[in-house]
Amino acid sequence: DQQVKQNSPSLSVQEGRISILNCDYTNSMFDYFLWYKKYPAEGPTFLISISSIKDKNEDGRFTVFLNKSAKHLSLHIVPSQPGDSAVYFCAASAQRDGTASKLTFGTGTRLQVTL
Amino acid sequence: DTAVSQTPKYLVTQMGNDKSIKCEQNLGHDTMYWYKQDSKKFLKIMFSYNNKELIINETVPNRFSPKSPDKAHLNLHINSLELGDSAVYFCASSQGTSGAKNIQYFGAGTRLSVL
Repeated sequence: DQQVKQNSPSLSVQEGRISILNCDYTNSMFDYFLWYKKYPAEGPTFLISISSIKDKNEDGRFTVFLNKSAKHLSLHIVPSQPGDSAVYFCAASAQRDGTASKLTFGTGTRLQVTL
Repeated sequence: DTAVSQTPKYLVTQMGNDKSIKCEQNLGHDTMYWYKQDSKKFLKIMFSYNNKELIINETVPNRFSPKSPDKAHLNLHINSLELGDSAVYFCASSQGTSGAKNIQYFGAGTRLSVL
């Protein structure tokens, strides 16, 4: 049962344009969402996150949007740069009273930024 | 200076052997994790320790035994290795276990190949 889904396995965008990566989730208890970037042969690197009490969080070229009613979040990268080419993972967690909250990951979207 | 380091980076071994993967973090975090990334690139949590105590134990064969000698170290020992154990194993750490404190920082991964 995959609770976090990234339906686009790959995305190709021209340098300078906007990259939009999408993520859907099914568990309404999720209250914190994260995006990670992963280069080959490296571990995932934290990029940006958002709490369920917000609908937008921005950090430089990266903005995450959260639509709780649709159980959907997206990552916008503007402008896209060749160094952004990587696999992007969406992750979510649910706070349970006094207990640990694990991260549930999507299967990733490979972004390629072309010149 | 690497924040989360795992050794070895590559591990090739025969079925039936016992092997260990070590992980150390120098971020001063209280919580550490082991994840498995399978052939479908799906990242799934296996274990989590908070201040040397086991707090998350997903459905993992008991051939896998984590050990945390102190909160900066979390090692993974695997007995009687099977072909299906071949995967990339990632160690991670976080400040805490909920919300923004659950932002996890990953090591570079250990690629385990069981022949």
